[in-house]
This record gives sequence, structure tokens and C-alpha cells, in this order.
Amino acid sequence: EDKVVQSPLSLVVHEGDTVTLNCSYEVTNFRSLLWYKQEKKAPTFLFMLTSSGIEKKSGRLSSILDKKELFSILNITATQTGDSAVYLCAVNAGGTSYGKLTFGQGTILTVHP
Amino acid sequence: GAGVSQTPSNKVTEKGKYVELRCDPISGHTALYWYRQSLGQGPEFLIYFQGTGAADDSGLPNDRFFAVRPEGSVSTLKIQRTERGDSAVYLCASSSGTGNQPQHFGDGTRLSIL
Repeated sequence: EDKVVQSPLSLVVHEGDTVTLNCSYEVTNFRSLLWYKQEKKAPTFLFMLTSSGIEKKSGRLSSILDKKELFSILNITATQTGDSAVYLCAVNAGGTSYGKLTFGQGTILTVHP
Repeated sequence: GAGVSQTPSNKVTEKGKYVELRCDPISGHTALYWYRQSLGQGPEFLIYFQGTGAADDSGLPNDRFFAVRPEGSVSTLKIQRTERGDSAVYLCASSSGTGNQPQHFGDGTRLSIL
């Protein structure tokens, strides 16, 4: 059974801090790993990673994948209160799981002013 | 439309009733997915359509749940004889194909069974 585990489950920081969110996975036929940000409603797509060691970057957010050790990290630098959200990691696996995403439980990030 | 649209945004009904949840994907997206999210958890896969056909329905919890996509665009998730345990947010997502494309989510329908 495909499995995705995120850590920490929750994190409280102050504006300006840097945070690192972790995602480890066990799947039979890995295709890609995705990060989403979920505030009140829809998960919003952040990154999709398919290759090891290639950093994806968007503003203050960046992410990297290690396919040998089966994990990914999401970094947020100079955090702002608007970064407060649940961050979800998901894996798209092939084989019989083709097409569906398996999600982790999420990391709840709270950024205080 | 610009994004995935789901209706209704909230649905409250009594145990034993029938409900239908609607999803209108991003225009041109051929793949459509339904997920269910309980409080404090990540979304859980229910069913995936490629075009009009259900390519994978392995996540549907039992035969009270059914989904259709008759014209390859709008999809309806149908739940018969609802139970209190069906209460959750039902999320729909779409993507531009079966290749490695990101899925884009709607705001979900919050279903509450009394």
C-alpha cells in the first residue's frame, strides 16, 4: 500500500523565520511528488517534482526531491502571516495506482506577526 | 471556467437520504478525480475518470457511492442511503491528461449528515 508521511504535523513560527517541511514516501511505482497549500478550501498547487536533486523555486518557496532516500522537503524563507496554512505532500504512483494521488496528513504551519 | 467549480458548497441532510455532488472541471481537462477529506487528514482518493469512463474506482468505500461523467466534462458523485460517517469535504480535481500533469482542485462540497 502506498504511504506518505509528513513531519512535523504542526509548526508555529514568527514572521521572518525559515521553515523546512518534510515528506517521506513508500510507493511501488513512483511517478511524481507534489506539494499543495491549503488555506480555507481548495488545495493550491505549488510544485511537482519528478527528478532527484533538482530544486524547484517560486519566490520564497523552494522544494527538492531525493528519490534514493525517498523524501522531499519544502522550504519557506522569510515567512509571512499569509504563509499560515496546511501544507500537503502527495505522491502520484504508477501501476495500478496510475492517476491517483496519495496524500500525507499535512503540516499545519502558523506564522505569528 | 477559470478553475474547478463544485456545487453545492455546503450540503446538510438527514441520515438515509440521497445526495448528489457536482463538479465542473477546468475547460479542456480530460482527467477528473474525486477525493474525500476528513477533518485533520489529507484528501483520500475515491475515483478517477479519463474522459467518460472510470479508469480507477478503487477508492469508493462501498456500493452506496457512485460517480458518472456522461459527456466527459461535468461529473456527479452520488451517495445513497447516507450515513453520519459520510460527513466530510468532497474535493474534485482535474488535470490536462494522463501524463504527469498536476491536479488542480475545486473548493469542495462540505457534506454534513445529521
